[in-house]
Amino acid sequence: DTAVSQTPKYLVTQMGNDKSIKCEQNLGHDTMYWYKQDSKKFLKIMFSYNNKELIINETVPNRFSPKSPDKAHLNLHINSLELGDSAVYFCASSLPSWREGGTDTQYFGPGTRLTVL
Amino acid sequence: AQTVTQSQPEMSVQEAETVTLSCTYDTSESDYYLFWYKQPPSRQMILVIRQEAYKQQNATENRFSVNFQKAAKSFSLKISDSQLGDAAMYFCAYRSYQLEDSNYQLIWGAGTKLIIKP
Repeated sequence: DTAVSQTPKYLVTQMGNDKSIKCEQNLGHDTMYWYKQDSKKFLKIMFSYNNKELIINETVPNRFSPKSPDKAHLNLHINSLELGDSAVYFCASSLPSWREGGTDTQYFGPGTRLTVL
Repeated sequence: AQTVTQSQPEMSVQEAETVTLSCTYDTSESDYYLFWYKQPPSRQMILVIRQEAYKQQNATENRFSVNFQKAAKSFSLKISDSQLGDAAMYFCAYRSYQLEDSNYQLIWGAGTKLIIKP
């Protein structure tokens, strides 16, 4: 029944390591997103994929790379982790209103709390 | 560029009372969407309510309703009969309505922390 799922929910790792966060949605949506939420709760869009093509790439370091094997999955790979990468990362998906059944509403996963030591 | 402002970092309300959270936005567009999301301590982002700018009628979802003032660019959220489970961060968000453009980005406010007093 889970609409948007993320794994893992918690990730604790050392500086310099490489890690991945996986996201899957079973809503049949076209567009998927990655957000970063900092300690002050501010949400920042990182990436957006529409039908497996990158359509938003905000000014995030190139250590972050989104990978979408198909339109139901959008994974986030992070190289050479830094202390400042500690945050909660959210995956989300949506279907545009010009598509049948679409409402442009973004549905979020449960978030992944990343802690870099 | 569009911006969304939530001027109340924190609000508190007595259980069973009514509270209104404010949100203003700046845009030159005439068609757009506005959203309120709730983030409880569990950190899950949950859609509360959605408003289409071309609709005059204010959106309502059970105890949650909005006061959408398009000319004033205001989109406040009213929570009636507040319950302990309403305690959360509330985020206001804006999305432009573009049929052709593939920019699906939401513009987010900074959030309002709502405290419910028993």
